[in-house]
Amino acid sequence: ELKVEQNPLFLSMQEGKNYTIYCNYSTTSDRLYWYRQDPGKSLESLFVLLSNGAVKQEGRLMASLDTKARLSTLHITAAVHDLSATYFCAVVTIKAAGNKLTFGGGTRVLVKP
Amino acid sequence: KAGVTQTPRYLIKTRGQQVTLSCSPISGHRSVSWYQQTPGQGLQFLFEYFSETQRNKGNFPGRFSGRQFSNSRSEMNVSTLELGDSALYLCASSPGQRNEKLFFGSGTQLSVL
Repeated sequence: ELKVEQNPLFLSMQEGKNYTIYCNYSTTSDRLYWYRQDPGKSLESLFVLLSNGAVKQEGRLMASLDTKARLSTLHITAAVHDLSATYFCAVVTIKAAGNKLTFGGGTRVLVKP
Repeated sequence: KAGVTQTPRYLIKTRGQQVTLSCSPISGHRSVSWYQQTPGQGLQFLFEYFSETQRNKGNFPGRFSGRQFSNSRSEMNVSTLELGDSALYLCASSPGQRNEKLFFGSGTQLSVL
Protein backbone atom coordinates (compact mmCIF):
# COMPACT_ATOMS: atom_id res chain seq x y z
CA GLU A 1 0.00 0.00 0.00
CA LEU A 2 1.36 3.38 -1.01
CA LYS A 3 2.10 5.72 1.89
CA VAL A 4 2.99 9.38 1.52
CA GLU A 5 4.53 11.32 4.38
CA GLN A 6 5.14 15.02 4.54
CA ASN A 7 7.21 16.89 7.03
CA PRO A 8 7.03 19.10 8.80
CA LEU A 9 3.31 19.18 9.48
CA PHE A 10 3.51 22.83 10.45
CA LEU A 11 6.03 25.45 9.42
CA SER A 12 6.20 28.92 10.89
CA MET A 13 8.24 31.06 8.54
CA GLN A 14 9.79 34.46 8.79
CA GLU A 15 9.47 36.68 5.78
CA GLY A 16 12.58 36.74 3.68
CA LYS A 17 13.96 33.40 4.81
CA ASN A 18 14.21 30.09 2.93
CA TYR A 19 12.47 26.86 3.88
CA THR A 20 11.95 23.32 2.57
CA ILE A 21 9.03 20.90 2.79
CA TYR A 22 9.76 17.20 2.33
CA CYS A 23 7.57 14.52 0.79
CA ASN A 24 8.53 10.84 1.12
CA TYR A 25 6.62 8.01 -0.51
CA SER A 26 6.83 4.27 -0.08
CA THR A 27 6.56 2.67 -3.54
CA THR A 28 7.72 3.34 -7.07
CA SER A 29 5.94 6.24 -8.69
CA ASP A 30 6.09 8.04 -12.00
CA ARG A 31 4.08 11.09 -11.06
CA LEU A 32 4.20 13.46 -8.13
CA TYR A 33 2.04 16.53 -7.63
CA TRP A 34 2.27 19.54 -5.39
CA TYR A 35 -0.89 21.43 -4.48
CA ARG A 36 -1.67 24.49 -2.45
CA GLN A 37 -4.87 24.93 -0.42
CA ASP A 38 -6.04 28.15 1.20
CA PRO A 39 -8.48 27.89 4.13
CA GLY A 40 -11.95 27.01 2.92
CA LYS A 41 -10.78 26.77 -0.67
CA SER A 42 -10.05 24.04 -3.16
CA LEU A 43 -6.71 22.64 -4.27
CA GLU A 44 -4.59 24.70 -6.62
CA SER A 45 -2.10 22.79 -8.75
CA LEU A 46 1.48 23.99 -8.34
CA PHE A 47 3.69 21.38 -10.03
CA VAL A 48 3.60 17.99 -11.73
CA LEU A 49 6.91 16.13 -11.58
CA LEU A 50 7.29 13.20 -13.95
CA SER A 51 10.85 11.96 -13.95
CA ASN A 52 13.88 11.46 -11.77
CA GLY A 53 15.77 14.70 -11.34
CA ALA A 54 12.84 16.82 -12.48
CA VAL A 55 12.96 20.37 -11.18
CA LYS A 56 10.25 22.96 -11.66
CA GLN A 57 10.12 26.55 -10.48
CA GLU A 58 7.38 29.12 -10.27
CA GLY A 59 8.09 32.38 -8.51
CA ARG A 60 9.43 31.69 -5.04
CA LEU A 61 8.56 27.98 -5.19
CA MET A 62 10.79 25.26 -6.56
CA ALA A 63 9.99 21.54 -6.54
CA SER A 64 12.29 18.64 -7.25
CA LEU A 65 11.94 14.88 -7.49
CA ASP A 66 14.37 12.07 -6.67
CA THR A 67 12.63 8.83 -7.64
CA LYS A 68 15.48 6.66 -6.39
CA ALA A 69 15.19 8.13 -2.89
CA ARG A 70 11.39 8.37 -3.26
CA LEU A 71 11.64 11.96 -2.14
CA SER A 72 10.34 15.27 -3.38
CA THR A 73 11.10 18.66 -1.92
CA LEU A 74 9.29 21.96 -2.16
CA HIS A 75 11.67 24.82 -1.55
CA ILE A 76 10.43 28.27 -0.64
CA THR A 77 12.78 31.15 -1.30
CA ALA A 78 12.47 34.44 0.59
CA ALA A 79 9.07 33.65 2.07
CA VAL A 80 6.31 36.25 1.84
CA HIS A 81 2.95 36.43 3.61
CA ASP A 82 1.03 35.44 0.45
CA LEU A 83 2.59 32.00 0.63
CA SER A 84 0.69 31.19 3.85
CA ALA A 85 -1.40 28.12 3.01
CA THR A 86 -1.40 24.35 3.36
CA TYR A 87 0.77 22.48 0.88
CA PHE A 88 0.10 18.90 -0.16
CA CYS A 89 2.12 16.45 -2.17
CA ALA A 90 0.34 13.58 -3.93
CA VAL A 91 1.68 10.50 -5.66
CA VAL A 92 0.41 8.13 -8.33
CA THR A 93 1.85 4.60 -8.27
CA ILE A 94 3.61 3.49 -11.43
CA LYS A 95 1.31 0.53 -11.95
CA ALA A 96 -1.92 2.44 -11.53
CA ALA A 97 -4.10 3.23 -14.46
CA GLY A 98 -5.66 6.61 -14.42
CA ASN A 99 -5.45 9.22 -11.74
CA LYS A 100 -5.67 7.69 -8.28
CA LEU A 101 -3.74 10.13 -6.12
CA THR A 102 -2.47 9.32 -2.64
CA PHE A 103 -1.96 12.50 -0.65
CA GLY A 104 0.43 13.36 2.12
CA GLY A 105 -0.96 14.81 5.31
CA GLY A 106 -0.17 18.38 4.30
CA THR A 107 2.18 21.04 5.62
CA ARG A 108 0.54 24.11 7.09
CA VAL A 109 2.67 27.15 6.36
CA LEU A 110 2.33 30.42 8.22
CA VAL A 111 4.52 33.28 7.14
CA LYS A 112 4.98 35.97 9.78
CA PRO A 113 6.27 39.47 9.13
CA LYS B 1 -12.66 28.15 -20.18
CA ALA B 2 -14.93 27.29 -17.26
CA GLY B 3 -13.37 25.35 -14.42
CA VAL B 4 -14.65 22.33 -12.55
CA THR B 5 -18.09 23.07 -11.11
CA GLN B 6 -19.44 21.33 -8.06
CA THR B 7 -22.95 21.69 -6.69
CA PRO B 8 -24.21 22.31 -4.15
CA ARG B 9 -21.52 24.24 -2.30
CA TYR B 10 -22.92 23.45 1.13
CA LEU B 11 -25.25 20.72 2.31
CA ILE B 12 -26.71 19.83 5.68
CA LYS B 13 -28.25 16.41 6.20
CA THR B 14 -29.24 14.22 9.12
CA ARG B 15 -28.07 10.73 9.92
CA GLY B 16 -29.71 8.02 7.84
CA GLN B 17 -30.50 10.28 4.90
CA GLN B 18 -28.88 10.00 1.52
CA VAL B 19 -27.22 12.70 -0.54
CA THR B 20 -26.19 13.26 -4.16
CA LEU B 21 -23.37 15.57 -5.14
CA SER B 22 -22.72 16.77 -8.66
CA CYS B 23 -19.56 17.60 -10.58
CA SER B 24 -19.26 19.13 -14.05
CA PRO B 25 -15.72 18.74 -15.40
CA ILE B 26 -13.83 21.13 -17.64
CA SER B 27 -15.11 20.89 -21.19
CA GLY B 28 -13.32 18.10 -23.03
CA HIS B 29 -12.15 16.33 -19.89
CA ARG B 30 -13.20 12.70 -19.70
CA SER B 31 -11.82 11.71 -16.30
CA VAL B 32 -13.54 12.70 -13.08
CA SER B 33 -12.20 11.74 -9.64
CA TRP B 34 -13.71 12.23 -6.22
CA TYR B 35 -11.90 12.85 -2.94
CA GLN B 36 -13.03 13.20 0.64
CA GLN B 37 -11.21 15.68 2.88
CA THR B 38 -11.55 15.59 6.67
CA PRO B 39 -9.36 17.07 9.41
CA GLY B 40 -8.66 13.62 10.82
CA GLN B 41 -8.09 11.50 7.72
CA GLY B 42 -6.89 14.15 5.30
CA LEU B 43 -7.50 13.75 1.58
CA GLN B 44 -8.68 10.29 0.56
CA PHE B 45 -9.46 8.96 -2.88
CA LEU B 46 -13.03 7.75 -3.40
CA PHE B 47 -13.24 6.75 -7.07
CA GLU B 48 -12.44 7.78 -10.62
CA TYR B 49 -14.61 7.58 -13.71
CA PHE B 50 -13.43 7.67 -17.28
CA SER B 51 -15.79 7.51 -20.24
CA GLU B 52 -18.67 6.43 -17.99
CA THR B 53 -16.68 3.53 -16.48
CA GLN B 54 -15.25 3.34 -12.99
CA ARG B 55 -11.49 3.11 -13.49
CA ASN B 56 -10.26 3.21 -9.89
CA LYS B 57 -11.85 2.77 -6.50
CA GLY B 58 -10.69 3.72 -3.02
CA ASN B 59 -11.30 1.98 0.29
CA PHE B 60 -14.73 3.29 1.16
CA PRO B 61 -17.83 1.31 2.09
CA GLY B 62 -20.48 0.49 -0.46
CA ARG B 63 -22.62 3.37 0.83
CA PHE B 64 -20.45 5.56 -1.36
CA SER B 65 -21.19 5.22 -5.05
CA GLY B 66 -20.83 7.24 -8.17
CA ARG B 67 -21.55 7.40 -11.84
CA GLN B 68 -20.59 9.34 -14.89
CA PHE B 69 -22.83 10.42 -17.71
CA SER B 70 -22.12 10.55 -21.42
CA ASN B 71 -21.36 14.28 -21.19
CA SER B 72 -18.68 13.45 -18.53
CA ARG B 73 -20.64 15.02 -15.70
CA SER B 74 -20.42 12.91 -12.59
CA GLU B 75 -22.48 12.37 -9.49
CA MET B 76 -21.59 10.72 -6.24
CA ASN B 77 -24.14 9.35 -3.83
CA VAL B 78 -23.83 8.56 -0.16
CA SER B 79 -26.61 6.51 1.37
CA THR B 80 -27.47 6.03 5.04
CA LEU B 81 -25.40 9.00 6.12
CA GLU B 82 -23.27 8.77 9.25
CA LEU B 83 -21.81 11.58 11.34
CA GLY B 84 -18.36 10.61 10.10
CA ASP B 85 -19.36 11.39 6.53
CA SER B 86 -19.18 15.08 7.32
CA ALA B 87 -16.41 16.33 5.07
CA LEU B 88 -15.42 18.44 2.12
CA TYR B 89 -15.97 16.42 -1.06
CA LEU B 90 -13.72 17.46 -3.91
CA CYS B 91 -14.03 16.58 -7.54
CA ALA B 92 -11.11 16.69 -9.98
CA SER B 93 -11.13 16.50 -13.74
CA SER B 94 -8.48 15.78 -16.34
CA PRO B 95 -8.37 14.93 -20.05
CA GLY B 96 -7.97 11.28 -19.09
CA GLN B 97 -4.40 10.36 -20.01
CA ARG B 98 -1.56 9.68 -17.61
CA ASN B 99 1.09 12.27 -16.75
CA GLU B 100 -1.33 15.15 -16.68
CA LYS B 101 -2.52 17.89 -14.40
CA LEU B 102 -5.71 17.44 -12.40
CA PHE B 103 -8.01 20.39 -11.84
CA PHE B 104 -10.06 20.50 -8.66
CA GLY B 105 -13.46 22.06 -8.08
CA SER B 106 -14.35 24.19 -5.06
CA GLY B 107 -15.91 21.25 -3.31
CA THR B 108 -19.15 20.46 -1.52
CA GLN B 109 -19.07 20.87 2.24
CA LEU B 110 -21.35 18.19 3.70
CA SER B 111 -22.43 18.37 7.32
CA VAL B 112 -24.27 15.41 8.82
CA LEU B 113 -26.19 16.16 12.01
